[in-house]
This record gives sequence, C-alpha cells and structure tokens, in this order.
Amino acid sequence: NAGVTQTPKFQVLKTGQSMTLQCAQDMNHNSMYWYRQDPGMGLRLIYYSASEGTTDKGEVPNGYNVSRLNKREFSLRLESAAPSQTSVYFCASSDRGHEQFFGPGTRLTVL
Amino acid sequence: QQQVKQSPQSLIVQKGGIPIINCAYENTAFDYFPWYQQFPGKGPALLIAIRPDVSEKKEGRFTISFNKSAKQFSLHIMDSQPGDSATYFCAASKFRGTYKYIFGTGTRLKVLA
Repeated sequence: NAGVTQTPKFQVLKTGQSMTLQCAQDMNHNSMYWYRQDPGMGLRLIYYSASEGTTDKGEVPNGYNVSRLNKREFSLRLESAAPSQTSVYFCASSDRGHEQFFGPGTRLTVL
Repeated sequence: QQQVKQSPQSLIVQKGGIPIINCAYENTAFDYFPWYQQFPGKGPALLIAIRPDVSEKKEGRFTISFNKSAKQFSLHIMDSQPGDSATYFCAASKFRGTYKYIFGTGTRLKVLA
C-alpha cells in the first residue's frame, strides 16, 4: 500500500498562473483533507471532504477550489496563483477513526 | 483566531533529557487531542492521542498529560534520543461529519547526542 500520494512534489508558478495539486489514497478512507503549512503557522485546513460527493471549507479556503473526483482522489486547484500561496501543501485522509494519514507534501513557490 | 496555543516554539535538550511541550485550547467541545511528529521533508504522522475522559496516556517513551479544567495538555518524551529530533504538533478536534483538526503552531525539538 502506498498510503497517501501527492503530485507534484515541487512546483514553481508565476503570479496569475493556475495549477492543480493531485492527491490519492489507497486505504479506502471516507474523509480527505487539504492543509497548507507555513513557518510559525502550523498546519491550516484549506478544504475537506467528509465523504465522497461532499466538500466543505476549512480555515483558509480563499483562492482555492477542490474536487472529490471519487473515493480515492481529492484535488486542490489554484485558479490564479498569488505569492501568498507559496507554501507546503499536505493532503491527508482518515476513516471513521480520528487518525489522519498525511502524504509527503507538495512544495509550491509562486513568484 | 488561533484556538490551540502551543509552546515553546523550539526546544534543545541533551540526550536522556525529558522535553515537555505544552498546548492550551479554548473550545470545550473538543473531544480528541492528538500529537503529530514531523521529520524534515516528510508529512506529519500520528504519535499519540488522548480523549478528555482520561488524565494521562503513555505509549513507550511518550506521555500525554491532560488537564481538562485548565484546558491544557502536554507531551513528555522520556529518555529523549537524537532520533526524536523533529517538529511536534498538538491538535484538537471535534466531530462535525468528520474530525476536523485545529493544529498548534509546532515545536521544533533538537536532542543533542
């Protein structure tokens, strides 16, 4: 089992460009999450999907959109990237229990 | 609004020491308090977790102490080792269709050999 996988690992964008971060899990988990991690800020929830077919905003949703493509996949889209979106993005998944399993992260730089 | 406050921001201890990391929360509806460990370049991984109906939980060298009345909880690492050098995050959650975590800001721990 690969657990939670994320692509790409690294990305550099120019201001105004768009991109989609991909996340997939092979643990048959119902819930999936997108976080961003910034120095001194911890991990902040962007969007989450409690189950297939549902998505909800987290703490910092502005500038992002998500799609729960199926039970395995949950993507995060930046429509018009801004330097403030420079961050490390983590996807996570969980089942009925509390434990969230995190992917390896995507390091995004917006110039 | 930061609902989970974590301290200290960084911590350096000698091998064998007992680093202590503290967290305080505001929302009494939180019902699950995990600690996550993160090594450089990796995603966080669950270390240990506690519910508010117990005051202490031990797993190996890691102990959570929980004070419900003070709305505080802490992580103790017994006999710390250089391999424990990592960033530690506390979190709190409550069920709303799923368990949404509010994370603390993290503590960077360095254990000297």
